[in-house]
Amino acid sequence: DTAVSQTPKYLVTQMGNDKSIKCEQNLGHDTMYWYKQDSKKFLKIMFSYNNKELIINETVPNRFSPKSPDKAHLNLHINSLELGDSAVYFCASSHLLAGQYGETQYFGPGTRLLVL
Amino acid sequence: RKEVEQDPGPFNVPEGATVAFNCTYSNSASQSFFWYRQDCRKEPKLLMSVYSSGNEDGRFTAQLNRASQYISLLIRDSKLSDSATYLCVVNLPPGGYNKLIFGAGTRLAVHP
Repeated sequence: DTAVSQTPKYLVTQMGNDKSIKCEQNLGHDTMYWYKQDSKKFLKIMFSYNNKELIINETVPNRFSPKSPDKAHLNLHINSLELGDSAVYFCASSHLLAGQYGETQYFGPGTRLLVL
Repeated sequence: RKEVEQDPGPFNVPEGATVAFNCTYSNSASQSFFWYRQDCRKEPKLLMSVYSSGNEDGRFTAQLNRASQYISLLIRDSKLSDSATYLCVVNLPPGGYNKLIFGAGTRLAVHP
């Protein structure tokens, strides 16, 4: 059973296109996250939702829009894709807010986005 | 200063070696500390949490020095399967919501 799943696993697209990545967790967690890992392997948080409420919104271009239809799902829509958006996007979830009381996160397998 | 800094690596060690990774963090109010492991083209996975008194899990020992804002990971008797990138992770405490800050990672390559 996959705890945190993402689709698609790979995404190759042209500059200027709009694309979405979906994430689902079956752990019963309340909090979900989107991270971006760039070519230098640096993992940075983009967004976090707690019970469908946006609680962390880092400095991310507004071409990126997260949506949480319910607490088990967190999707990421990207408009007008640019070359610099090429990266691996990881979804994660945690029961409580990550970092509180030692709470940790569980990551999905990642979506490898390549913008041509 | 970066929020979380790690030895850049790579560390190339023979099987059976002992290897230590260091990490420093900038926010003295941080309360939660972790080591994650990331295999090539895979997602990060929790290796171990780091507790104030230090903790051990088999061949892995983690230490925390709050005064120096320093975390370490010691791997004894390295196995080929230990080859991976090790990420030091620290929480950025409230003033809002907690979030985890990941170091850039230290790559370990264990060879026969």
